[in-house]
Amino acid sequence: AQSVSQHNHHVILSEAASLELGCNYSYGGTVNLFWYVQYPGQHLQLLLKYFSGDPLVKGIKGFEAEFIKSKFSFNLRKPSVQWSDTAEYFCAVTPNQAGTALIFGKGTTLSVSS
Amino acid sequence: NAGVTQTPKFQVLKTGQSMTLQCAQDMNHNSMYWYRQDPGMGLRLIYYSASEGTTDKGEVPNGYNVSRLNKREFSLRLESAAPSQTSVYFCASSEEGQVHSPLHFGNGTRLTVT
Repeated sequence: AQSVSQHNHHVILSEAASLELGCNYSYGGTVNLFWYVQYPGQHLQLLLKYFSGDPLVKGIKGFEAEFIKSKFSFNLRKPSVQWSDTAEYFCAVTPNQAGTALIFGKGTTLSVSS
Repeated sequence: NAGVTQTPKFQVLKTGQSMTLQCAQDMNHNSMYWYRQDPGMGLRLIYYSASEGTTDKGEVPNGYNVSRLNKREFSLRLESAAPSQTSVYFCASSEEGQVHSPLHFGNGTRLTVT
């Protein structure tokens, strides 16, 4: 069965620091990859997604992620974080076939101090 | 548009009681999902419905049942609640299955079982 691993449970940064959150998945076939964000007290929102093409995808609020197929990774990055980026971040993957469901990682909590 | 609406927002049950969580979407989406979110566990899929008339088990279906009442509505039932089912439950929908379409989440139902 497919699975998603997020290496960092809790990341603490100061404003303007750079961010990289790791995500690895286990599935041998073609996958679709997502990052979702959950701000305190809110529901999950889509940050960015990768289906095919350019492995470097850009999302909202200055976030980007790079798909490295050989490493089964889809790491999330942001050059300079802001206090408002404090949230929980979830990586998710689904096989590229109809009728399958999205599987989430356990999440990474990001705390940004001003 | 309301998007995905879940009711109730909060619920406290005693062990052994039953209840149904309601979910409705007004985006004409084909697929609907129920997830539970627990600290340190991320989101885990309980059941999903790829299209009207079909339902499938996710990662953690035990203790739950679902009904896809029509295209708009997808309910989750706990027949005999247990403390282990204390969690935040999220309903989500997507346009045509999660292969290509991102999920739209409801605001969640916080359930406590004593």
